[in-house]
Amino acid sequence: EAGVTQSPTHLIKTRGQQATLRCSPISGHTSVYWYQQALGLGLQFLLWYDEGEERNRGNFPPRFSGRQFPNYSSELNVNALELEDSALYLCASSLTANEKLFFGSGTQLSVL
Amino acid sequence: DAKTTQPPSMDCAEGRAANLPCNHSTISGNEYVYWYRQIHSQGPQYIIHGLKNNETNEMASLIITEDRKSSTLILPHATLRDTAVYYCIVSRVKVTFGTGTKLQVIP
Repeated sequence: EAGVTQSPTHLIKTRGQQATLRCSPISGHTSVYWYQQALGLGLQFLLWYDEGEERNRGNFPPRFSGRQFPNYSSELNVNALELEDSALYLCASSLTANEKLFFGSGTQLSVL
Repeated sequence: DAKTTQPPSMDCAEGRAANLPCNHSTISGNEYVYWYRQIHSQGPQYIIHGLKNNETNEMASLIITEDRKSSTLILPHATLRDTAVYYCIVSRVKVTFGTGTKLQVIP
């Protein structure tokens, strides 16, 4: 069974550009979570989607947005990129909202 | 969601038991305690979880105090591959990770 897959693995952008990160959850999982992990820091909660709806978001500005598609895959969009957006972005999925999380390997976003 | 407190770092000799503590004094009655670990910059890996009873699986044991305000993750025979950051989280719905405990297993 395939795990959580994220693409691309690495992404290089310049300030002011937009970035789109993608996540495919484990088959059957309806909840998708996004986290940001800046170098040397813990995982900061970004967004939680379940059954196609945004259920909760962390303390991030509105330029961080996303969506969940009917097949439960998800997309994270970051607009007007800033240097401090450089981080590892991790996606996780769970069978339901209260179940354990399975993480992907992440997308390393570098903003120059 | 309940907040957790963990020591920032710990050392453990290879082959010995590693005992990682976590305080979650504001935990609610229906909130589970979950433990994950992150090796290098890979995605975190689920280890174990529990509600009120002690739990054991092939990776670790979880001891939860009777008042549920703290817990301990036990790696019975630590190996070098157990060197990682260990996260203790408590959540019913929204999952937020802190900075965890960096466990260094020493040869």
